[in-house]
Amino acid sequence: QSALTQPASVSGSPGQSVTISCTGTSIDVGNYDLVSWYQQHPGKAPKLIIYEVTKRPSGISDRFSGSKSGNTASLTISGLQAEDEADYFCCSYALSPTSIYVFGTGTRVTVL
Amino acid sequence: QPQLQESGPGLVKPSETLSLTCSVSGGSISSSEYYWGWIRQPPGKGLEWIGNIFHSGSAHYNTSLKSRVTISVDTSKNQFSLNLRSVTAADTAVYHCARLLRATDVFDVWGHGTMVTVSS
Repeated sequence: QSALTQPASVSGSPGQSVTISCTGTSIDVGNYDLVSWYQQHPGKAPKLIIYEVTKRPSGISDRFSGSKSGNTASLTISGLQAEDEADYFCCSYALSPTSIYVFGTGTRVTVL
Repeated sequence: QPQLQESGPGLVKPSETLSLTCSVSGGSISSSEYYWGWIRQPPGKGLEWIGNIFHSGSAHYNTSLKSRVTISVDTSKNQFSLNLRSVTAADTAVYHCARLLRATDVFDVWGHGTMVTVSS
């Protein structure tokens, strides 16, 4: 099962919006609304920020939003802040004979 | 909010067995709401799901690793463990344990991860 494809890096200035794509196939992202997004600061545990494509856990800022079209899911960070500088990765449930969960390749967000 | 903490050797010799334990605090591993999983990230690469286990002992594995992996659970200690046999340098990675919420198939709580290097 191949990893979901994400851009290696995106950047933006404070206050701007950035969008991270997560491209899979018809057996994972395209087949299930079970895409989640995680934020990971260096040396820290990954933190869930979006689940079921668009939902935010309690306590997560509404500056984070998710969407999906076809085989591609997206995470948008609005009103970029310095604390948003981190690694972000997606995950999808998959109809796969090898791995029922597949992760993205990861994206480093840099706040300029 | 529960916390998960990985523990185990940071260095394993090739062909030997990698053994890690995840200790769960602030919640019961016997809850029927959750699976408990292992995920790894080799240096410079993406994350790879290794497998999940339910408190009953029922487990699911990534078939690419299935012949070498065993995940077990000890409800009395509120812990679950990973054994990966016949390791090679390709198994060098940061290993995370995580809690999987069954209702939404999401890994909602993660451990910080522990680096395991396979080298002689």
